Amino acid sequence: AQSVTQLDSQVPVFEEAPVELRCNYSSSVSVYLFWYVQYPNQGLQLLLKYLSGSTLVKGINGFEAEFNKSQTSFHLRKPSVHISDTAEYFCAVSDDAGGTSYGKLTFGQGTILTVHP
Amino acid sequence: GAVVSQHPSWVICKSGTSVKIECRSLDFQATTMFWYRQFPKQSLMLMATSNEGSKATYEQGVEKDKFLINHASLTLSTLTVTSAHPEDSSFYICSASPPTRGTQYFGPGTRLTVL
Repeated sequence: AQSVTQLDSQVPVFEEAPVELRCNYSSSVSVYLFWYVQYPNQGLQLLLKYLSGSTLVKGINGFEAEFNKSQTSFHLRKPSVHISDTAEYFCAVSDDAGGTSYGKLTFGQGTILTVHP
Repeated sequence: GAVVSQHPSWVICKSGTSVKIECRSLDFQATTMFWYRQFPKQSLMLMATSNEGSKATYEQGVEKDKFLINHASLTLSTLTVTSAHPEDSSFYICSASPPTRGTQYFGPGTRLTVL
């Protein structure tokens, strides 16, 4: 079984400040890791993903995340945020086990990022 | 690329009626589609996994007779909420996964309100 924990339910920051949204996961098999963003009353948009290879993953809108296998973490970072980054961010994991569980995403609880002027 | 649409974007219906929600992958073939529901201020909860041409696999606690899923083609899956009740009011989101491994692409969601 997999689980995802987003350690902060809400993160308020000022515009142009750096931000880190934390995500830890647990899984007994190899995993794929994702960050999605959800704006109010909209579906989810993929920010970035880690499937294999380099542990530092760059995504859209200036976001990046680093996969740390030893700490089972996949924290999302942005060096300078904008007002338009205000949204809810979800970390998710899927396994590579195949079978009926293949591709199923397990989501964290979400982190609401609020960027203040 | 990798666009997923949902229709309708919102629907209001009376208690006891059925509502059908469509999920389409517009520029790729989706061997697998997923249906989620999201309550206000909560995360997404997977309802079922749908593979083209076969029966959907429902998550524990999801009533398969109430939430009918059909994945008739590689670009279309439908979710029908039968005999809807106010407690079925929620935000329903679908996602689609191409044959290549690893990524789900999400639709914009459908807001269902049952009066």
